[in-house]
Amino acid sequence: NAGVTQTPKFRVLKTGQSMTLLCAQDMNHEYMYWYRQDPGMGLRLIHYSVGEGTTAKGEVPDGYNVSRLKKQNFLLGLESAAPSQTSVYFCASSSRPLVDKNIQYFGAGTRLSVL
Amino acid sequence: GEDVEQSLFLSVREGDSSVINCTYTDSSSTYLYWYKQEPGAGLQLLTYIFSNMDMKQDQRLTVLLNKKDKHLSLRIADTQTGDSAIYFCAESKTRSGNTGKLIFGQGTTLQVKP
Repeated sequence: NAGVTQTPKFRVLKTGQSMTLLCAQDMNHEYMYWYRQDPGMGLRLIHYSVGEGTTAKGEVPDGYNVSRLKKQNFLLGLESAAPSQTSVYFCASSSRPLVDKNIQYFGAGTRLSVL
Repeated sequence: GEDVEQSLFLSVREGDSSVINCTYTDSSSTYLYWYKQEPGAGLQLLTYIFSNMDMKQDQRLTVLLNKKDKHLSLRIADTQTGDSAIYFCAESKTRSGNTGKLIFGQGTTLQVKP
């Protein structure tokens, strides 16, 4: 019953530090997404992947990189963290859109503070 | 455009009905969704409606879709304190080559008073 698992759950960084957020799904989903959630702004798409080895930019990609080396994992990297990247990060996964009504399944989130 | 708009806050008394509203701009949307986010947790799918439907009912939840006005609503009957959460409206466009992206509203915080 794991679904979508995100690690870590919390992290505090100093400006300029780097880190990687890991997302793992066990539902054999093709599509995976990274969002950030900021107060009053809903969820904004950072990057997404439509299959192993593929990635694409979303709405707010600057300052982030991603990799999808294995189908079940989607990594989000911050090379040089900035205070503007303080946010809650959510990973989601879904089947191909025509297969399962494009329903996305979300992880519990990673709360990141950049000082 | 791809905007989804929601009011930010709704307060109701326990036992009353709650109605959360959402407007969207893209008439090509095929599915519309309601997600629930409890404090400190991720988003959980509550229900969805296909764009060729006007209404969908699931226990205490009723979704109404007005395609002419591009208006979606979620009614929660007999609202309980456990319904206190943030509710997100989202739309999806499932055309050939679609990326599966969802467009989310800002979220409506529902406060249920005992």
